[in-house]
Order: sequence, then C-alpha cells, then structure tokens
Amino acid sequence: NAGVMQNPRHLVRRRGQEARLRCSPMKGHSHVYWYRQLPEEGLKFMVYLQKENIIDESGMPKERFSAEFPKEGPSILRIQQVVRGDSAAYFCASSPRTDRGDSPLHFGNGTRLTVT
Amino acid sequence: GENVEQHPSTLSVQEGDSAVIKCTYSDSASNYFPWYKQELGKRPQLIIDIRSNVGEKKDQRIAVTLNKTAKHFSLHITETQPEDSAVYFCAAANDYKLSFGAGTTVTVRA
Repeated sequence: NAGVMQNPRHLVRRRGQEARLRCSPMKGHSHVYWYRQLPEEGLKFMVYLQKENIIDESGMPKERFSAEFPKEGPSILRIQQVVRGDSAAYFCASSPRTDRGDSPLHFGNGTRLTVT
Repeated sequence: GENVEQHPSTLSVQEGDSAVIKCTYSDSASNYFPWYKQELGKRPQLIIDIRSNVGEKKDQRIAVTLNKTAKHFSLHITETQPEDSAVYFCAAANDYKLSFGAGTTVTVRA
C-alpha cells in the first residue's frame, strides 16, 4: 500500500498564477480531506470530499479556492490568483468509508507552496 | 464548531524523563481523539488514538488518558529518547471533521 500520495512536493508560483495540488488517497479509501499548515502552526481543516461530492468546504476561503475529487483520478485542490498569504504546506489525508467518524486519518507528505 | 486547545506550546525534557501534553476540547459530542507526531518537514503521523468509550490506552512508552466529563485528554511519553523530539498534535473529532490543537514542540535533551 503506497499510502497517500501528494504531488508536487514543492511548488513555487508568482503572485496571480494558479496552483494545482494533487492527492491520491490510500487504496480502498474513499474519503479525502485537505488541511493547511502555516509555518509553526497547527493543521487547519479546509475541505472534506467523497468521490464526486464535496461534503464540507467550510474551512476553505470562498474565493479563489476550489476542490474536487472526481470519479476517476486524484483529488485536486486549486488556488487561483495566488497571493503571498497562500504560502503554506497543504496536506491531504484519507480515511476508509465510515459512518462513525472515528477512523484514523492518514496524511500524505504535503505540498509546500511558495508564492513569490 | 470544535475548538481544541493544547498546552504547553513547547516542552523541553531530559532524556529518560517523562513528557506530558494536555488538551481540552469544547464539543461534548466529540468521540475520537488521535495524537499525531510531526517531524520537521514531514507529514503528521498517527501515534495513538482513543475513543470516547475508553478512559485510558497504552502502547509501549506512550499512553493517552481521556476525561469526558471534564473534556480533556492527555498524552504521556515515558523514558523519553532523542528520537521523540518532534511536534505533537492532539485532535478531536465529531462525525467526520478532525480539529487539531496548535501543537507542542517537544525537545529531548541528551
């Protein structure tokens, strides 16, 4: 089991460009979460998705940010017109299907976005 | 929403001593409490978790306790070793959403 795969590991974008972050969950996992981590801070929930559905996007800024988890392929976190404040580590996590919400989250290695 | 507070923010211990990290949560419906360890530049890794129907759980040198009445839970690391140096995060979950504490940077002095 390859674990949660994120790419790229590092991404540098100029202000105003678009950033696209990819996440492939662990095999057998159908739930994907995105978290953002600013330097020396904790993990902040952004969005929770199941295949073809956004379940909760309450932690994601209303503008410029979007996420999807298509039927085929990885989950994508997209940030349009990036600003310096978007610089952070973005972690994807997955969990198996559960109705009880007490399944451990398995994190990927993260994408470190730097906006210049 | 759930609010998780974690203390202390930094902790320095002598090798061989114990380390204790405490967390409180606000949502009485939370029922799952994992702990993650994150080394510099790496991903958070689950080290232990506890569910609301259990008061204590132990795995070798690591133990967690949960007091649902007081809404707090703690991580205990005994016989600390240099490789225990990392940032530790507590978290609480109600349904699907995991809310994290701000983290504790643990430094084990040789």
